[in-house]
Amino acid sequence: EAGVTQSPRYAVLQEGQAVSFWCDPISGHDTLYWYQQPRDQGPQLLVYFRDEAVIDNSQLPSDRFSAVRPKGTNSTLKIQSAKQGDTATYLCASSRLGSAETLYFGSGTRLTVL
Amino acid sequence: GQGVEQPDNLMSVEGTFARVNCTYSTSGFNGLSWYQQREGHAPVFLSYVVLDGLKDSGHFSTFLSRSNGYSYLLLTELQIKDSASYLCAVRDRGSGTYQRFGTGTKLQVVP
Repeated sequence: EAGVTQSPRYAVLQEGQAVSFWCDPISGHDTLYWYQQPRDQGPQLLVYFRDEAVIDNSQLPSDRFSAVRPKGTNSTLKIQSAKQGDTATYLCASSRLGSAETLYFGSGTRLTVL
Repeated sequence: GQGVEQPDNLMSVEGTFARVNCTYSTSGFNGLSWYQQREGHAPVFLSYVVLDGLKDSGHFSTFLSRSNGYSYLLLTELQIKDSASYLCAVRDRGSGTYQRFGTGTKLQVVP
């Protein structure tokens, strides 16, 4: 089966610019997660969906970040006005119903904000 | 508070073993997963434990003590290619089905 696909692979922005990240989870996986991983740190949850519904977005900086999964398949994470502190790798992961202990990660998008 | 703690670094010799520790605090434990992450790559699932004791999976084994909030990942017969970061992640009733990750332990296997 195909893995989790993310694009772009890299992004370099100036502060204040906007950027979108795209994720295509493994087919049939109902739960999709977006994690932020700063360099030399562990992944930190931003938001996760079950099908098209947001389950938890309490750690998403809502003034600048947004995420959607309109049809319960692909998802887009957007940063409206990037800051240097947003520099990190953004990882998308998916899991199958009843197997949330196993996350399958995409290759991530490495974002640098200058 | 609720947290997942791991030592930053670990060094071991090729052919020997390495034990990667993880301690956690949680409001209602619901399982712990281990992942391997090579430099510049995404985490890859290794193992999941929810019951106390040792789970032997060959090259990787995992131990869990729920009463102590402690787990370890044991790698035996180390090879240079085992050099990577090892992440533990905890699910609890407070986090629902998402996993809270530790900062990861960077293992360096030397000749």
